[in-house]
Amino acid sequence: KAGVTQTPRYLIKTRGQQVTLSCSPISGHRSVSWYQQTPGQGLQFLFEYFSETQRNKGNFPGRFSGRQFSNSRSEMNVSTLELGDSALYLCASSPGTVRETQYFGPGTRLLVL
Amino acid sequence: GIQVEQSPPDLILQEGANSTLRCNFSDSVNNLQWFHQNPWGQLINLFYIPSGTKQNGRLSATTVATERYSLLYISSSQTTDSGVYFCAVVGMDSNYQLIWGAGTKLIIKP
Repeated sequence: KAGVTQTPRYLIKTRGQQVTLSCSPISGHRSVSWYQQTPGQGLQFLFEYFSETQRNKGNFPGRFSGRQFSNSRSEMNVSTLELGDSALYLCASSPGTVRETQYFGPGTRLLVL
Repeated sequence: GIQVEQSPPDLILQEGANSTLRCNFSDSVNNLQWFHQNPWGQLINLFYIPSGTKQNGRLSATTVATERYSLLYISSSQTTDSGVYFCAVVGMDSNYQLIWGAGTKLIIKP
């Protein structure tokens, strides 16, 4: 089976712009989670989608949003970018129940100038 | 919410040495995973181990759920083992989200 894929791998944006990141889960997996990793805050949960519904959301401002499509692919969007949004954004895929392994994609590195 | 603490924060070893990484968590968990993050940022699954013991080659892990800790053992370290090792858990009330420790940065010198 192919692994989790994320596009693009690298992005450079300027403050105030918006960005959309994409994640394709492992075939057959219905849950997609998003995490932000920064040197200062470590790994933090953004949100989780299952069958096109957001099941859980972390403590991030409304500028961070996401969605999931019927084929389980997911996108996350960050509007009005701030310098502090520079981070590695990681997507994880799992079949859908809590007692299962989550598999991560290679991440998207976002730099906001 | 649940807290996850990893120790030591940094570990420098010579190739061939053995190491033990620890993960303490503050409450009962539904899920516990160990990951290795390579220099390019990729998180590689090592173990899904909410309880019990597992082994995979030179790596093994043990979780004692009643005492709220997990250990990751690396034997005969190789330079390719370098990187950051993370423990992450899903608490009973965490609703599918992984709560992460701060990681252990491991450097294996040739």
